[in-house]
Amino acid sequence: DGGITQSPKYLFRKEGQNVTLSCEQNLNHDAMYWYRQDPGQGLRLIYYSQIVNDFQKGDIAEGYSVSREKKESFPLTVTSAQKNPTAFYLCASSRTGQREQFFGPGTRLTVL
Amino acid sequence: AQTVTQSQPEMSVQEAETVTLSCTYDTSESDYYLFWYKQPPSRQMILVIRQEAYKQQNATENRFSVNFQKAAKSFSLKISDSQLGDAAMYFCAYRSGMDSSYKLIFGSGTRLLVRP
Repeated sequence: DGGITQSPKYLFRKEGQNVTLSCEQNLNHDAMYWYRQDPGQGLRLIYYSQIVNDFQKGDIAEGYSVSREKKESFPLTVTSAQKNPTAFYLCASSRTGQREQFFGPGTRLTVL
Repeated sequence: AQTVTQSQPEMSVQEAETVTLSCTYDTSESDYYLFWYKQPPSRQMILVIRQEAYKQQNATENRFSVNFQKAAKSFSLKISDSQLGDAAMYFCAYRSGMDSSYKLIFGSGTRLLVRP
């Protein structure tokens, strides 16, 4: 089945540690996105990539980094510089020019 | 900058009844797209319906329809014959037709409760 997978579903991290969230898609989509969701708020864009080996900062990129070495994969690293990393993280993808984005199941990150 | 506002944090509807969720947005652009996404307890975002700003006709998808008022910058979602499975968070989202990032700008969401 075509879709977007994110792993792990739950992730716990100690303060000061970097952690990487995985996002993989087999939809042959060119564009991929990372959003952050906090309680009582909508999603906010962290980073996006429209082509392999290229990515752009979104609205809240500080403390995060990404890579796009393969079309199918867009991992997100939450660094120790991110002051408040506990949140729900959603990955999305779309075809170039496609109006809507399709979302993965998300990863819940908790910093202990 | 564009903004999306959902002024109803929570709504409740009786099963089989109709409910309308409100959304307003602010933009100076003429080319854009609007979406309603559903987020059930599993937390996966599911596209419910979309509307192109250039289309005057309101979009419909089975029991879901929108009331798109471009001049008023209003985009409400009507759910007819509500079912227990409709209980979820609903997010209104905006996408510019001119911004090459194609990013979505979301409202804060409305929690829909369905009473059996």
